[in-house]
Amino acid sequence: RKEVEQDPGPFNVPEGATVAFNCTYSNSASQSFFWYRQDCRKEPKLLMSVYSSGNEDGRFTAQLNRASQYISLLIRDSKLSDSATYLCVVRDSNYQLIWGAGTKLIIKP
Amino acid sequence: DVKVTQSSRYLVKRTGEKVFLECVQDMDHENMFWYRQDPGLGLRLIYFSYDVKMKEKGDIPEGYSVSREKKERFSLILESASTNQTSMYLCASSLLYSPGRQNSPLHFGNGTRLTVT
Repeated sequence: RKEVEQDPGPFNVPEGATVAFNCTYSNSASQSFFWYRQDCRKEPKLLMSVYSSGNEDGRFTAQLNRASQYISLLIRDSKLSDSATYLCVVRDSNYQLIWGAGTKLIIKP
Repeated sequence: DVKVTQSSRYLVKRTGEKVFLECVQDMDHENMFWYRQDPGLGLRLIYFSYDVKMKEKGDIPEGYSVSREKKERFSLILESASTNQTSMYLCASSLLYSPGRQNSPLHFGNGTRLTVT
């Protein structure tokens, strides 16, 4: 089993819809969590950190479920520009960063 | 804003050549990283460094070496390039993480797409 798992997608979603995807992690002692977005042939860029109580940044909401060992990302009112690959990253108890392989999101007009 | 600069966007090298990939960051970050990214495999850590002259092997160090002579600069060296090292190489930096500073995310350079023929 991979340490950090994501559905590779692609998720094909109409513009304006709400979309959510999860990322599961295997190490219950994981310390911190992030979502990155990566556009085609570009570098990953930090989208948001994920805090224990959940956090929101505009149309984006991140949640952490420690009991079930997953984090989620919800995008409301999706825009064409949200099309990208979303990478989940988990910092484990040894402070090492473990990357998911990413979920591809395609927003269609 | 953190700026991480990689010296080349695209490189084409021949098998057996020695290849240097340079990375510079301007935010006085302690940590620096080299990853490669291949379709379907995600980001894989090659080497990282948490201080000048310090280096640690990542998940796939074979065929690579690194150098960190100055805090702001972290170089990746392919001693003898091979075709299976054709990939996208990404440099990143971050603050040193600790229990009190766990949310220190990585900041990436814009990548070097290396082709070895």
